[in-house]
Amino acid sequence: AQSVSQHNHHVILSEAASLELGCNYSYGGTVNLFWYVQYPGQHLQLLLKYFSGDPLVKGIKGFEAEFIKSKFSFNLRKPSVQWSDTAEYFCAVLSSGTYKYIFGTGTRLKVLA
Amino acid sequence: EAGVAQSPRYKIIEKRQSVAFWCNPISGHATLYWYQQILGQGPKLLIQFQNNGVVDDSQLPKDRFSAERLKGVDSTLKIQPAKLEDSAVYLCASSSDSLGNEQFFGPGTRLTVL
Repeated sequence: AQSVSQHNHHVILSEAASLELGCNYSYGGTVNLFWYVQYPGQHLQLLLKYFSGDPLVKGIKGFEAEFIKSKFSFNLRKPSVQWSDTAEYFCAVLSSGTYKYIFGTGTRLKVLA
Repeated sequence: EAGVAQSPRYKIIEKRQSVAFWCNPISGHATLYWYQQILGQGPKLLIQFQNNGVVDDSQLPKDRFSAERLKGVDSTLKIQPAKLEDSAVYLCASSSDSLGNEQFFGPGTRLTVL
């Protein structure tokens, strides 16, 4: 069965620290990849997405993610986090075969001012 | 543009009671999704509509859950009868198509079953 794994459930960083959140998926075919974010008290919203082309994609608020096909990974990065990045981050995969979204369990990030 | 609307925002019921949730997607969005998000987990797709037709309901517990989108616009999700394990946030999302475009999420309905 297809699945999405997010290795870190809780991450605590100080402001200006670098961030990398892991995401691995299990599906051998073509995929579309997403990172969604949920800020406290707000709706889930799209941070960035990968469909094809350059495997390094840039999203809003300085976030980027790199698709490494050989590792079935789509890790999220930010060179310097801010207090306002405190949120829950979800990786999601849409397989070309089923067009069904599968979300990871989420990573709760807390940034200390 | 107006976002995805959901109501109610919160609902507390006792087990074996029934409950219904309502969702109004973004105008013009053909695809509508219902997700269940249990505390500590990611959203799990329950059902996906394309206009008023069901595309995927493989993870919908059909013995107690039902959903409809009669006119291809708003949708209702019903649970009858509810169980304790149905306590979760129920999220509605919509997208312009089912081919992988961005999903826009509503605020969710937090259901507590006592």
